[in-house]
Amino acid sequence: GIQVEQSPPDLILQEGANSTLRCNFSDSVNNLQWFHQNPWGQLINLFYIPSGTKQNGRLSATTVATERYSLLYISSSQTTDSGVYFCAVEGKDSSYKLIFGSGTRLLVRP
Amino acid sequence: DAGITQSPRHKVTETGTPVTLRCHQTENHRYMYWYRQDPGHGLRLIHYSYGVKDTDKGEVSDGYSVSRSKTEDFLLTLESATSSQTSVYFCAIADSSGANVLTFGAGSRLTVL
Repeated sequence: GIQVEQSPPDLILQEGANSTLRCNFSDSVNNLQWFHQNPWGQLINLFYIPSGTKQNGRLSATTVATERYSLLYISSSQTTDSGVYFCAVEGKDSSYKLIFGSGTRLLVRP
Repeated sequence: DAGITQSPRHKVTETGTPVTLRCHQTENHRYMYWYRQDPGHGLRLIHYSYGVKDTDKGEVSDGYSVSRSKTEDFLLTLESATSSQTSVYFCAIADSSGANVLTFGAGSRLTVL
């Protein structure tokens, strides 16, 4: 099946700093989503982005499907950005099955 | 979590006992999923459903069964719980609009002693 790798595994930032999280995948995808899990365990969808670029406030994401990677940018980080960021992909031969990477754990210090 | 409810939210049980977790949605979404989350493994897909009585296995389906007799409910059953099934279980739903964007429930923490 499709493999998903996220980097870095852990990241510590000072409030106000910018960061880039990466998601590499091993095969062509129909679907790619980014999620944020807050410190209380809640999982929130950030982006549906199988290709191209999207922005939502201080967050933006870019997927280069031909090179099999996606990037999540966080600008002017805030303490509320802390948590774990996951990407999930659906391979072209894996209808409806979204497979998650192991995540990037982000801590933003005040 | 609007539209999706998991029950129970917490359960402690003993090895060898059966356990059923319930996921209930009010969104009339076609797709429903069960994931488990363990430290160091992210979320791993157990089973998913693409319609009433239509289910398929995920990455880690051994020891689990599911049923979906109506659109709104997706049940996950551990026939004989083992300590390795201690985990946090998340249900997710997605519509059939094409994007298949997942919405997650709040999670069910299961401890098997």
